Amino acid sequence: EAGVVQSPRYKIIEKKQPVAFWCNPISGHNTLYWYLQNLGQGPELLIRYENEEAVDDSQLPKDRFSAERLKGVDSTLKIQPAELGDSAVYLCASSLVGLAGGSNEQFFGPGTRLTVL
Amino acid sequence: AQSVTQPDIHITVSEGASLELRCNYSYGATPYLFWYVQSPGQGLQLLLKYFSGDTLVQGIKGFEAEFKRSQSSFNLRKPSVHWSDAAEYFCAVGARTSYGKLTFGQGTILTVHP
Repeated sequence: EAGVVQSPRYKIIEKKQPVAFWCNPISGHNTLYWYLQNLGQGPELLIRYENEEAVDDSQLPKDRFSAERLKGVDSTLKIQPAELGDSAVYLCASSLVGLAGGSNEQFFGPGTRLTVL
Repeated sequence: AQSVTQPDIHITVSEGASLELRCNYSYGATPYLFWYVQSPGQGLQLLLKYFSGDTLVQGIKGFEAEFKRSQSSFNLRKPSVHWSDAAEYFCAVGARTSYGKLTFGQGTILTVHP
């Protein structure tokens, strides 16, 4: 079974430029998460989707960050414009929540390492 | 609000020695508890989880953890460390009312000497 796929793995951009990250969750998983991981820190939740609905986006900086999960499958996280402080690893995770047989375990992708110059 | 504290930023052990990584959480009720491991350039892999029942839980790669409600702790242990265990370890807590959201500790980096 394929795991959570993220692309690109690495991205270097100039400040004020836009950037987008893509995530394809494990097939059948209804819940998708985007996390931000700063160097030396644990991941912090940015947004959580249940199917195509964003059910928790309280930590998403909405002035520059946006996300979508149009068909309830893959998702895109965008930053526009990027700032120096956005340099971090962006992790995507998925899980099967609230359904018979769901374990609530979150499966993580390898992440996208963003460097803003 | 829920929170997790991992007091040790960096731990060094010799191969074959025992290991204990500490985790303390703050939450008003009994939470869901997790330990994840992250190797350089990799995503997080679940080692073990506690939802209910037996407070001593077994995980993959020979790891175990014990939930102690009175101490608000969920320490990770391994009796004999292998060089391949060198990685960063994260403890996380999930609220039972919104179990989708995890709050992570800052992580403990494990170095294993031969």
